[in-house]
Amino acid sequence: RKEVEQDPGPFNVPEGATVAFNCTYSNSASQSFFWYRQDCRKEPKLLMSVYSSGNEDGRFTAQLNRASQYISLLIRDSKLSDSATYLCVVNIGNTGKLIFGQGTTLQVKP
Amino acid sequence: DADVTQTPRNRITKTGKRIMLECSQTKGHDRMYWYRQDPGLGLRLIYYSFDVKDINKGEISDGYSVSRQAQAKFSLSLESAIPNQTALYFCALPPLAGEGNEQFFGPGTRLTVL
Repeated sequence: RKEVEQDPGPFNVPEGATVAFNCTYSNSASQSFFWYRQDCRKEPKLLMSVYSSGNEDGRFTAQLNRASQYISLLIRDSKLSDSATYLCVVNIGNTGKLIFGQGTTLQVKP
Repeated sequence: DADVTQTPRNRITKTGKRIMLECSQTKGHDRMYWYRQDPGLGLRLIYYSFDVKDINKGEISDGYSVSRQAQAKFSLSLESAIPNQTALYFCALPPLAGEGNEQFFGPGTRLTVL
């Protein structure tokens, strides 16, 4: 079983749609959680951290359920520019070593 | 100038050749990491270094070696490249305390082994 699992998609949605991505992790010692965005052939970049209380940044909402070891990302009012691959990432301990999910590809169409 | 640079950006080589990928950083971080990315597998850690004298194997170190020549430079070598080492390679810096949560990635090196 992979340590961090995501549905690879692709998710094809029209502009303006709401889309949700899910992620599960297997290591209960995981301490911090993130969503990274990766554009085609580019390096990953931090989209947002994920906190137990849930957090929102504009059209993006991230949630964490430690009991279920589940992380989600909700994108409202999708834009064409949201098309990318979204990586669920977990930090186990404080070494800075990140465990990456395989990524979920989103394609927003006009 | 970019905080993390990688050279080369693209490389095509043949099976059995030795190849070195280089990473340089201007952020003054002690820790530097090497990842590879394959379609459907996400990024996986190859080697990591906590400082010039501290080198550690990651999840998939077989077939690779590294050298931390200075705080700013961390090189990844494939002594005898094989086709299944075809991948996108990223150098990365974990954040310093107080820097927030973002791990800083280089632009990547696309390596093809024929």
